[in-house]
Amino acid sequence: DIQLTQSPSFLSASVGDRVTITCRASQDIKNYLAWYQQKPGKAPKVLIYGASTLQSGVPLRFRGSGSGTEFTLTITSLQPEDFATYSCQQLNTYPPYTFGQGTKLEIK
Amino acid sequence: EVQLAESGGESIQPGGSLRLSCAVSGLSVSDNSMNWVRQAPGKGLEWVSVSQSGGGKYYAESLEGRFTISRDTSKNVVYLQMDRLRVDDTAVYFCARAVIDLWTGSYFDYWGQGTLVTVSP
Repeated sequence: DIQLTQSPSFLSASVGDRVTITCRASQDIKNYLAWYQQKPGKAPKVLIYGASTLQSGVPLRFRGSGSGTEFTLTITSLQPEDFATYSCQQLNTYPPYTFGQGTKLEIK
Repeated sequence: EVQLAESGGESIQPGGSLRLSCAVSGLSVSDNSMNWVRQAPGKGLEWVSVSQSGGGKYYAESLEGRFTISRDTSKNVVYLQMDRLRVDDTAVYFCARAVIDLWTGSYFDYWGQGTLVTVSP
């Protein structure tokens, strides 16, 4: 099965900062990667799919890039509502649709 | 409006069985890829199982054949039958619809609010 490794696991930043989260796949998944944001007690919300396509309604400060085995989620100019946990997920041709372990973004 | 609502979570002893339900409105479970995802307390998301529109069913290897996914198209409900439950199955269980598009990218767009399963002696 394909494994996803996110880094860092924890990230401390301030409002207005630019942050980058990395997701590495154990094998080539082309661009079959999605990013989710999750707040405590809530279901995840999709931000990015196809590695770089912004889901409708998601602010332009969220940007996804990468292909193959290395992917990044960048948030430019952090807003207070962006402090949450971010997870990547691979949706290659067949299941399992593995998630990364998550990155918790906290206010510095 | 699409809504997914899980139910059936409760506290149960190890070795027991439980059936979770995901009642869906606004889309047809028979025409969609319906998934179960779980999240243990303080941990990350773990994909559990999928019931595909074409009838295929897949499971996470870690489940070791203990869980079974099914759907009732007349009620528009997806189920997760969980047998031989273990302490490490304790988690919030979410159901989610997957958009499967090999051209533009796949993703889970609609999620329920989750139901808590606690397995404890």
